[in-house]
Amino acid sequence: DTAVSQTPKYLVTQMGNDKSIKCEQNLGHDTMYWYKQDSKKFLKIMFSYNNKELIINETVPNRFSPKSPDKAHLNLHINSLELGDSAVYFCASSLMRGLGLGYEQFFGPGTRLTVL
Amino acid sequence: AQTVTQSQPEMSVQEAETVTLSCTYDTSESDYYLFWYKQPPSRQMILVIRQEAYKQQNATENRFSVNFQKAAKSFSLKISDSQLGDAAMYFCAYRSGYGGATNKLIFGTGTLLAVQP
Repeated sequence: DTAVSQTPKYLVTQMGNDKSIKCEQNLGHDTMYWYKQDSKKFLKIMFSYNNKELIINETVPNRFSPKSPDKAHLNLHINSLELGDSAVYFCASSLMRGLGLGYEQFFGPGTRLTVL
Repeated sequence: AQTVTQSQPEMSVQEAETVTLSCTYDTSESDYYLFWYKQPPSRQMILVIRQEAYKQQNATENRFSVNFQKAAKSFSLKISDSQLGDAAMYFCAYRSGYGGATNKLIFGTGTLLAVQP
């Protein structure tokens, strides 16, 4: 029944490692997003894909690489993790256009990444 | 660029009372949407209420209502009959109505609401 799911929910790793976070949605949406919530709770868009095409790429270090194998999945790979990458990463999905609820972005439960 | 400002980092309300959370935004666009999201300690982001800019009528969802002042670019959230379960961080968010690369949520810094029994 889960609409937007993320794995893992918690990730603890050492500096310099490479890690991935996976996201899947079963809502039939065509657009998916990654948001980052920092230690002060501030939320900011990182990336967005529409039908597997990258449409939003905010100022994010190129150590972060999103990949969308299909409309229902969006993964985030992070190379050479740094202390400052510690945050909660949220995946979200929506329809690009539509009326009513179609415009709402549905969020996953978040992945808390801790870099030691 | 669009910005969203929440000037109240923390608010407190007594159970069963009413509280209003403030939000102002800046944009030159005419087509946009405004949202209030709730984030309880579980960290799940939950949509509380949505307002389309072209609608003059203020949105209402049960105990939650907004005061949308388009000319003043103000979008406040009123919570009536506050309940303990309303305790959470509340985020005001803006989204352009033009789709494509503008289809992102721009968040305010949040207001942490405490509900006192």
